[in-house]
Amino acid sequence: DVKVTQSSRYLVKRTGEKVFLECVQDMDHENMFWYRQDPGLGLRLIYFSYDVKMKEKGDIPEGYSVSREKKERFSLILESTSTNQTSMYLCASSPWGLVLYEQYFGPGTRLTVT
Amino acid sequence: DQQVKQNSPSLSVQEGRISILNCDYTNSMFDYFLWYKKYPAEGPTFLISISSIKDKNEDGRFTVFLNKSAKHLSLHIVPSQPGDSAVYFCAATSTGANSKLTFGKGITLSVRP
Repeated sequence: DVKVTQSSRYLVKRTGEKVFLECVQDMDHENMFWYRQDPGLGLRLIYFSYDVKMKEKGDIPEGYSVSREKKERFSLILESTSTNQTSMYLCASSPWGLVLYEQYFGPGTRLTVT
Repeated sequence: DQQVKQNSPSLSVQEGRISILNCDYTNSMFDYFLWYKKYPAEGPTFLISISSIKDKNEDGRFTVFLNKSAKHLSLHIVPSQPGDSAVYFCAATSTGANSKLTFGKGITLSVRP
């Protein structure tokens, strides 16, 4: 079974703090993604990566950055958190090829910024 | 501009009956569509998909129908079970290098025992 793990299930941070969210997948997938889920807005893509050290902006990259130094690990960085970044953050991975689009998700990190 | 629309935020059905979840899209380049299910405090899990070369794909109790001319797809669950109660997301993409999924807002399905 594909396993995608995220470093924390719940985080509470103060405005202006730096946050690292780490995602690890164990199936040697080439592709990794970061989304945020908000009520009434669905899943919105923040950043994605198709290879080590490669990154591409998604639909809402402002206020975020990412790092992919190893194939299995994809980190989301919030340099200076703001209250509008309170959300559920979901990491996903998928293999290259015909099943590119069937993404496997981690359990999510609920981030609250106060 | 929302390219994948799930206009009904919620649906409630009786156990044993059919659940029909609808999804509309606006981007003509989309040619592959997926449904994901999400329980509270868990990540979404892939449910079923369909390519634009088909108009129907079936997997057990789940069937997805695609109407390309109407840019509409639907997920049918028959028979519905209480364990199907979850949020269902429709997603779409255009095949090719570096394609990404565009998700709808989701529909909350409640199956009453």
